[in-house]
Amino acid sequence: DTGVSQNPRHKITKRGQNVTFRCDPISEHNRLYWYRQTLGQGPEFLTYFQNEAQLEKSRLLSDRFSAERPKGSFSTLEIQRTEQGDSAMYLCASNGANTDTQYFGPGTRLTVL
Amino acid sequence: AQSVTQLGSHVSVSEGALVLLRCNYSSSVPPYLFWYVQYPNQGLQLLLKYTTGATLVKGINGFEAEFKKSETSFHLTKPSAHMSDAAEYFCAVSERRDDKIIFGKGTRLHILP
Repeated sequence: DTGVSQNPRHKITKRGQNVTFRCDPISEHNRLYWYRQTLGQGPEFLTYFQNEAQLEKSRLLSDRFSAERPKGSFSTLEIQRTEQGDSAMYLCASNGANTDTQYFGPGTRLTVL
Repeated sequence: AQSVTQLGSHVSVSEGALVLLRCNYSSSVPPYLFWYVQYPNQGLQLLLKYTTGATLVKGINGFEAEFKKSETSFHLTKPSAHMSDAAEYFCAVSERRDDKIIFGKGTRLHILP
């Protein structure tokens, strides 16, 4: 069990560019969650998957955001045409069928210039 | 809709003193309740959780919390603060064991020497 990993850890981009983040959950965990945390705030739910199915999306997830989990293992979160308001820490978490605990990764910090 | 209110964005206590971080929640169903801690530049770590059963929950690092349904509260306590407890603490609620988590805005705990 190596924990939830996220890549990259930091991303700096210019406004208007597209970015993609990757999350590798704990092995065998069937649920995977994405959250966003801005400075001074708690994490806010974005979306989650059970295996490869995307079960819920927050209204925070505008049409510029898309998430995938094609094989039910790792997931990607893409932001198109980034805006300065997208600057935040993007957190990934996972949990398994027999646990009620979400385990969080270290996050990807996005800075949009 | 579920929500969490954490009273006090900053709390300062002297080393060795009692730590009390307040959390009130709103939920239309019996809640799952969590406290997470976030150290600088690190991911979220679960301190403790309440699912069902005993209302006094013990967690890591000497922390505990009590679920009080009548007061819709889940306050976090530790009898004696240590310098290493300085961090951001998040109270959170969920409707189901594998559902998205709704976080409070967090309380930053400062430990005074």
